[in-house]
Amino acid sequence: AQSVSQHNHHVILSEAASLELGCNYSYGGTVNLFWYVQYPGQHLQLLLKYFSGDPLVKGIKGFEAEFIKSKFSFNLRKPSVQWSDTAEYFCAVIGNTGKLIFGQGTTLQVKP
Amino acid sequence: GAGVSQSPRYKVAKRGQDVALRCDPISGHVSLFWYQQALGQGPEFLTYFQNEAQLDKSGLPSDRFFAERPEGSVSTLKIQRTQQEDSAVYLCASSLAPDRGGGYTFGSGTRLTVV
Repeated sequence: AQSVSQHNHHVILSEAASLELGCNYSYGGTVNLFWYVQYPGQHLQLLLKYFSGDPLVKGIKGFEAEFIKSKFSFNLRKPSVQWSDTAEYFCAVIGNTGKLIFGQGTTLQVKP
Repeated sequence: GAGVSQSPRYKVAKRGQDVALRCDPISGHVSLFWYQQALGQGPEFLTYFQNEAQLDKSGLPSDRFFAERPEGSVSTLKIQRTQQEDSAVYLCASSLAPDRGGGYTFGSGTRLTVV
């Protein structure tokens, strides 16, 4: 069965620090990969997605993610976080089932 | 409308009560998904419709949960005889296509609290 694992449950950073959130998935076939963000009190929003092509994907608000097939990973990065990046971040995968499967989420707290 | 609309935003139910949660997908989106998000967890898949056909209901936790989409647009998730463990945010998402390229758009969810 497909599954997604996010390594960090809760991350606290100061503004301007660099961010990397880990994500690993378990499915050996072709996958589509996503990162979603949920700001406090708001709905899930798509940050970025990978379907094929360049494994380095750029998303909104300065976020990027790198698909490393050999490591089954799709880590999210941002060079310099802002207080407004405080939110919950979810990695997700679609494999052969067509269903979007989510990781358990990482809560990011950015201190001003 | 421009987005996925869910109602009500909040629902408090007494244990044993039946509830119905509504989802209005984006017009023209053929695929509709329901997810359950417990506190501190990622969304868990419940069920999936393509137009009016329920293609996958493997995530429904018990036979107290029932979903329908009779005309291929609005969907209703019904929970009978609610239990405390049903307390969660119920998310609806719609998509033009279920996997490649379609993308999912999520609603704001219905927060169900069973007391």
